[in-house]
Amino acid sequence: NAGVTQTPKFQVLKTGQSMTLQCAQDMNHNSMYWYRQDPGMGLRLIYYSASEGTTDKGEVPNGYNVSRLNKREFSLRLESAAPSQTSVYFCASSVGTGRETQYFGPGTRLLVL
Amino acid sequence: AQSVTQPDIHITVSEGASLELRCNYSYGATPYLFWYVQSPGQGLQLLLKYFSGDTLVQGIKGFEAEFKRSQSSFNLRKPSVHWSDAAEYFCAVGSSNTGKLIFGQGTTLQVKP
Repeated sequence: NAGVTQTPKFQVLKTGQSMTLQCAQDMNHNSMYWYRQDPGMGLRLIYYSASEGTTDKGEVPNGYNVSRLNKREFSLRLESAAPSQTSVYFCASSVGTGRETQYFGPGTRLLVL
Repeated sequence: AQSVTQPDIHITVSEGASLELRCNYSYGATPYLFWYVQSPGQGLQLLLKYFSGDTLVQGIKGFEAEFKRSQSSFNLRKPSVHWSDAAEYFCAVGSSNTGKLIFGQGTTLQVKP
């Protein structure tokens, strides 16, 4: 099993450009999450999807949109990238919410110039 | 509001020495607590978790953690550190309703030969 996969691994954008980060899981998990990781700040939740068809904001949703395309896939879109969105983005999934373990993808490193 | 504090940003220990990484949390109800490890350039891997019951929790790779409600702490320990333990360690508290995780800032562990 691949677990949680993310594409691309690395991306450079210019300010104002848009892009979509893709995430897919093959573990038949119900819940999926997008985090960003910045030095000295740990991971912060951007958006999550508790189940197929639902999405909710996390701590830092401004400047992002998400789509839960189906049970397997959860994409994160930057409509107009800003330098402050330079970060490493992690997708995670879990069987359900609450006490379930979250499984993380390898991350996407994004640089916005 | 929920929060997690890892007081030590960086710790260096000698190989074979014991290790304790500190974690303090703030949460209104009984917390779900997690420790994750991140090797350089990788995603996060779960070391252990606590929900209820025995306050001493065993995890993978020889790690353990102790939940102390009176001190709002969930410190991670290992009796003898190996060079391969060098990584970044994150403590997190989870919501029982939504599954949302709040991460600490992380502690970077360096292991001296």
